[in-house]
Amino acid sequence: ETGVTQTPRHLVMGMTNKKSLKCEQHLGHNAMYWYKQSAKKPLELMFVYSLEERVENNSVPSRFSPECPNSSHLFLHLHTLQPEDSALYLCASSREGVGEQFFGPGTRLTVL
Amino acid sequence: EDQVTQSPEALRLQEGESSSLNCSYTVSGLRGLFWYRQDPGKGPEFLFTLYSAGEEKEKERLKATLTKKESFLHITAPKPEDSATYLCAVQEYGSGNTGKLIFGQGTTLQVKP
Repeated sequence: ETGVTQTPRHLVMGMTNKKSLKCEQHLGHNAMYWYKQSAKKPLELMFVYSLEERVENNSVPSRFSPECPNSSHLFLHLHTLQPEDSALYLCASSREGVGEQFFGPGTRLTVL
Repeated sequence: EDQVTQSPEALRLQEGESSSLNCSYTVSGLRGLFWYRQDPGKGPEFLFTLYSAGEEKEKERLKATLTKKESFLHITAPKPEDSATYLCAVQEYGSGNTGKLIFGQGTTLQVKP
C-alpha cells in the first residue's frame, strides 16, 4: 500500500448506529487530519493530530470522536449521527503539520 | 477574517483553448499556497506549493503563479483528461503546528473534445 488509504470507501448507517472510519498513511508523516466535504462547500477541517496529540478541534459535534493510536493510523468514531452529517470524509497527512497535505480517497457516508 | 475565493465557479473550455483559474486570498501572513486537483468521488490530489510572490511552478499543461493577493493556475492547450475540480488552499503563519489549510470552494473545469 502507498500514500494514504481509507476504509470503508462507502458507508450507509442509521441514526442510531455506531461505526468507525479508518485511515492509514504510508508516507512517514507525523501529522494527520480529518476533513468533511459537503456538496457546494469548501473542505472543512475537523481534527488535527500532530505527533499523536490532538492540536485542533474545529467545533465539531461530540457525535464525532477521533482517535490517533500512532502516527500512521487515524480513526473517526461515529455515533448517533444526523442526516446532515452525510458527506465525503477525507483523511490527510503531512510532515510536522507544515506544508502540503496528502489526501486519501475518502469515505462517502450516508446517514439515513 | 481569513478568506480564500476561487473564480470562476465553473469553466467550460474546448480542447486546446487555454485559460486561467483565479484564487484570491486574505490572510495575515502567508506560509504557503497549495493547488489540488479533485476528480469526482475521489480525494484531492496535490499539484503545487507556492511560498512567495513571484514564484512559479509548472507541471505538464499546468502553471501556477503567485502574487501578494492571488494565485493563478494557467492551463495551456487543455485536454479532456484535465477535466476536474481545482482547489486552492492557504496556510498562514498563525496556524502554529496545526498545519491548518483554508480551502476555497473550487473551480470545476470541463474540457470538451
